[in-house]
Amino acid sequence: SSELTQDPAVSVALGQTVRITCQGDSLRTFYACWYQQKPGQAPVLVFYGKNNRPSGIPDRFSGSRSGNTASLTITGAQAEDEADYYCNSRDISGNHVLFGGGTKLTVL
Amino acid sequence: QVELQESGPRLVKPSETLSLTCEVSGFSITTGYYWGWIRQPPGKGLEWIGNIFHSGTTYYNPSLRSRVTIFVDTSNNQFSLKMSSVTAADTAIYYCARSAYDREDYWGQGILVTVSA
Repeated sequence: SSELTQDPAVSVALGQTVRITCQGDSLRTFYACWYQQKPGQAPVLVFYGKNNRPSGIPDRFSGSRSGNTASLTITGAQAEDEADYYCNSRDISGNHVLFGGGTKLTVL
Repeated sequence: QVELQESGPRLVKPSETLSLTCEVSGFSITTGYYWGWIRQPPGKGLEWIGNIFHSGTTYYNPSLRSRVTIFVDTSNNQFSLKMSSVTAADTAIYYCARSAYDREDYWGQGILVTVSA
């Protein structure tokens, strides 16, 4: 399969921990990366690879992988984390880029 | 600091060809990365269109391959997208991005292209 599947919506109480997941066969081979997108803005990379956070991204964002499922965990969610989150990886060939359908995170 | 900026017509008529250019600054496009296009229809998710290496090697989304061409202009440090036979379904924000082997790490701000008569 050359698809990445995400839950359309997830909610979390302020200060609690939330996990956003992404499933796909290619994730058994390639790590996912994760983007945060707020309304009217371009996506921002928040986590990639086995354990990499771009400069300026808070350490409450972390990633993991198990089998064909990648996860983005936000530990102690803040109001400013409310956004759409997209996972991204490569297909089995490694040459084509895949995006998940996106998860809308609501911070209650 | 790597910066990307999309430019091109914001209104395209149905059946015509969409043409966009991405100007890269702060980094030479001949230095070991792919450069790509991604689009996002209003209110919808991200869709990868394709990538190009400075040598000219390209990879395209199979669903768009028949209508898309990406080419690079190393002398002006930019790359471009052409999409033929557009319809209203091609209305979207088009982003250009730098593509590493496992992520798109730098993005342009995006340009909204509307397909309408």
